[in-house]
Amino acid sequence: GENVEQHPSTLSVQEGDSAVIKCTYSDSASNYFPWYKQELGKGPQLIIDIRSNVGEKKDQRIAVTLNKTAKHFSLHITETQPEDSAVYFCAAREGNTPLVFGKGTRLSVIA
Amino acid sequence: ETGVTQSPTHLIKTRGQQVTLRCSSQSGHNTVSWYQQALGQGPQFIFQYYREEENGRGNFPPRFSGLQFPNYSSELNVNALELDDSALYLCASVYSEGLVTDTQYFGPGTRLTVL
Repeated sequence: GENVEQHPSTLSVQEGDSAVIKCTYSDSASNYFPWYKQELGKGPQLIIDIRSNVGEKKDQRIAVTLNKTAKHFSLHITETQPEDSAVYFCAAREGNTPLVFGKGTRLSVIA
Repeated sequence: ETGVTQSPTHLIKTRGQQVTLRCSSQSGHNTVSWYQQALGQGPQFIFQYYREEENGRGNFPPRFSGLQFPNYSSELNVNALELDDSALYLCASVYSEGLVTDTQYFGPGTRLTVL
């Protein structure tokens, strides 16, 4: 089955700097890769997703890149703000199979 | 807001008891999945229901069971609770048809504590 590895487990950046979180997946058939943000005491909130027919997707300060050959995808957050502080999860899925999640990255943005 | 709601928000049970958690899916979504999230971990897939039938199950014992109703609301039942069942339980809903699955949205979760 699918296995998703996520790095780093913790990340601290200065406000205004960029943050990058990386994930690798094992199943080359996976074709959908969402990123979720989870704040304390809340459920995961989808922030951006990408499908395997696209190499990059941007939404304001957030971007995701996908390298199908290397089986890895990354989340990029530019101009970080204190409210970006949260735990971020990547996930992967093939078709309508269940999402498989990474273990999460705790991002701290220092003002 | 995702349109997915869960109840109750928090729950405390003792070992050996049974618990039922509830989820109301986003309108138009025909598929609901349940996940267990232990502290400091990513969500782990428990099972999925599509049009009231279980159509996928993760590595969880039979004492974890579920139901999906015609209005696409759902329940997760856990029997013979164990201390390790303490976790955040998340439901997520999505529209799925054939090989096409849309974006999955999560509810806020139910925090279960087993003493």
